Amino acid sequence: EDQVTQSPEALRLQEGESSSLNCSYTVSGLRGLFWYRQDPGKGPEFLFTLYSAGEEKEKERLKATLTKKESFLHITAPKPEDSATYLCAVQAASGGSYIPTFGRGTSLIVHP
Amino acid sequence: SAVISQKPSRDICQRGTSLTIQCQVDSQVTMMFWYRQQPGQSLTLIATANQGSEATYESGFVIDKFPISRPNLTFSTLTVSNMSPEDSSIYLCSVERRGATYEQYFGPGTRLTVT
Repeated sequence: EDQVTQSPEALRLQEGESSSLNCSYTVSGLRGLFWYRQDPGKGPEFLFTLYSAGEEKEKERLKATLTKKESFLHITAPKPEDSATYLCAVQAASGGSYIPTFGRGTSLIVHP
Repeated sequence: SAVISQKPSRDICQRGTSLTIQCQVDSQVTMMFWYRQQPGQSLTLIATANQGSEATYESGFVIDKFPISRPNLTFSTLTVSNMSPEDSSIYLCSVERRGATYEQYFGPGTRLTVT
C-alpha cells in the first residue's frame, strides 16, 4: 500500500528564516511526486511535479527536490504570505490508476 | 491549468437531509474526481466520475450514500445523502491533465456542516 508521511505537522518560522519540509514515501515504483499549497478555505493549488531522483524544481522562494525515498520542499527567506498548508502526494507506476495518494500536510506559519 | 468552480461554497444542513454539490470546469476533461478533506486529515478520494458511465467508488464509499452524476465533460455533481454529523467535511472536486507532465487541479471546495 502506498504511504506518504509529511513532517513536521506544523512549522512556525520568522520571516526570512529558511527551512525545509519533508515528504517520505513508500510506493511500488514512483510515477510522480507532487507538491501543493493549500490556503485556509480553499482547494489545493498545484506547485510542482517531480519524476526522478535528483530532479529539482523551483518557483519563487520554493524549491522541491526528490530522492528515492523522500522529497524536500525548501523555503528560502520566507514571507508571511507563504503561510499555508503544503501537501505532498505520490503517484504509483504500477497498476492502471493514476490517482495520487496524499499526505496529511505541513501547516506553515511565517511570522513577520 | 484548469479553472474549477463549486457550488455551494459552504452550507449548514440538518441530519437526515441531502445536499448536492456542483462542480463546473472551464474545459472538457475525461475524468473528474471527488475528494473529502476532514480537519487535520489528508485528502480522501471518494470516487472517480467518468462521463457516460457509472462512477467508480473507493473502498468505504458507496453509491447510495454519495450518488454522483456526470452528464457531460465539464460538469459533475456529488450528493451527500441522509447526512449525519460525521459527514461534516470539506468536499473537493478535482480534474487531471495528462500530457508531458501529470497535473491535478482542485476546485475551491464546499464546506459542509451537519447539525
